[in-house]
Amino acid sequence: QSALTQPPSVSGSPGQSVTIACTGTSTDVGSYDRVSWYQQPPGTVPKLIISEVNHRPSGVPDRFSGSKSGYTASLTISGLQAEDEADYYCSSYTTSSSWVFGGGTKLTVL
Amino acid sequence: EVQLLESAGGLVQPGGSLRLSCAASGFTFHLYAMSWVRQAPGKGLEWVSGIGATGSLKSYADSVKGRFTISRDNSDNTMFLQMSSLRAEDTAVYYCVKSAGILLAFPLDYWGQGAPVTVSS
Repeated sequence: QSALTQPPSVSGSPGQSVTIACTGTSTDVGSYDRVSWYQQPPGTVPKLIISEVNHRPSGVPDRFSGSKSGYTASLTISGLQAEDEADYYCSSYTTSSSWVFGGGTKLTVL
Repeated sequence: EVQLLESAGGLVQPGGSLRLSCAASGFTFHLYAMSWVRQAPGKGLEWVSGIGATGSLKSYADSVKGRFTISRDNSDNTMFLQMSSLRAEDTAVYYCVKSAGILLAFPLDYWGQGAPVTVSS
């Protein structure tokens, strides 16, 4: 159950787009379309923003989108806003009937 | 409104035990799988354990297997995590998390506020 691999940090200016990659293996990302993304601003509880690779829960802006190719899933945030500054975590269901998270990516809005 | 209220957590000595509970409301508890996810101070998220809607399927992270036991009482809308043989590395905020369906494979869609657990002498 090794953690999924995410870059420790990304940054972008307001209005720009950023993409966060999340790399797994054949036992997690590569096996299922059960990839989720969570947003966690400092001092808050994680919030689900993308489920099942590319589905946005009600209330999540369409600036957030997800995709997957092979063992790598991606979260793209377009039209960056200051309020998007947060830690972002990917997660995937695994062949062991468990969930595994990525190490997290800190997004800085310049 | 979905509400997940964890018990207070606390300070435990290494080797000790602690039981966390999570009181759920605002949804039909027995129709949804549930999980515990933890976050060590300044660190990322780690899935700890999950239980299916009926309670028959249980799953654990390798890091807690054999030491932690998950359970639920669907008549009382409550989930539990019995933690034994606690280690310093178990120190974390423990979140009670609801799945979006009856199986563990459904996404984790609602999170409680978290219960801090500190393992220290």
